[in-house]
Amino acid sequence: AQKVTQAQTEISVVEKEDVTLDCVYETRDTTYYLFWYKQPPSGELVFLIRRNSFDEQNEISGRYSWNFQKSTSSFNFTITASQVVDSAVYFCALNPYSSASKIIFGSGTRLSIRP
Amino acid sequence: DAMVIQNPRYQVTQFGKPVTLSCSQTLNHNVMYWYQQKSSQAPKLLFHYYDKDFNNEADTPDNFQSRRPNTSFCFLDIRSPGLGDAAMYLCATSSNMPTDTQYFGPGTRLTVL
Repeated sequence: AQKVTQAQTEISVVEKEDVTLDCVYETRDTTYYLFWYKQPPSGELVFLIRRNSFDEQNEISGRYSWNFQKSTSSFNFTITASQVVDSAVYFCALNPYSSASKIIFGSGTRLSIRP
Repeated sequence: DAMVIQNPRYQVTQFGKPVTLSCSQTLNHNVMYWYQQKSSQAPKLLFHYYDKDFNNEADTPDNFQSRRPNTSFCFLDIRSPGLGDAAMYLCATSSNMPTDTQYFGPGTRLTVL
């Protein structure tokens, strides 16, 4: 099976707290790509990061960081010192090489940051 | 800035009345996609164009058609909208390689009365 599981349907935290969004994937491909997208209430899907299966190096971009672990098939996303503007639905996605253009999305995690 | 543009942002149509949604891009990408996203769900791929080659998903209803007259523009035609077609429609593009990052437009929210 090729799928993405985001077990956390909704998360609510108080502003300035750190929060981690979990993503677990399954694929039979050895070459694949992982993504995170943010969807604010306006509806646009905003690209955040792309990772290929051969690059397990973790990445930090400002308050955002990503932890890619092939051993556990996980690609988790952490927001440090969360802000109200971080409130959105976050989708983790998988693009196995054999699937060509077809992205497999997780079901999304709705993140609410309370002032 | 290079971008993906969708018009209109909000579209209201009547049951059974044909409607066309448009997408344009200034990224000069070869691949263009149309997704349907219903409330609290992930986007669902309807079809995509790789240059002029049209690729339809097996479960996309015949009611949905698409046209890509040139590299920059792509249209989604819904021939006879039903109440179940009310959704957000997202256009996306990616460059030459199918596994490249997909960049999304702001979406068109379709209401069917």
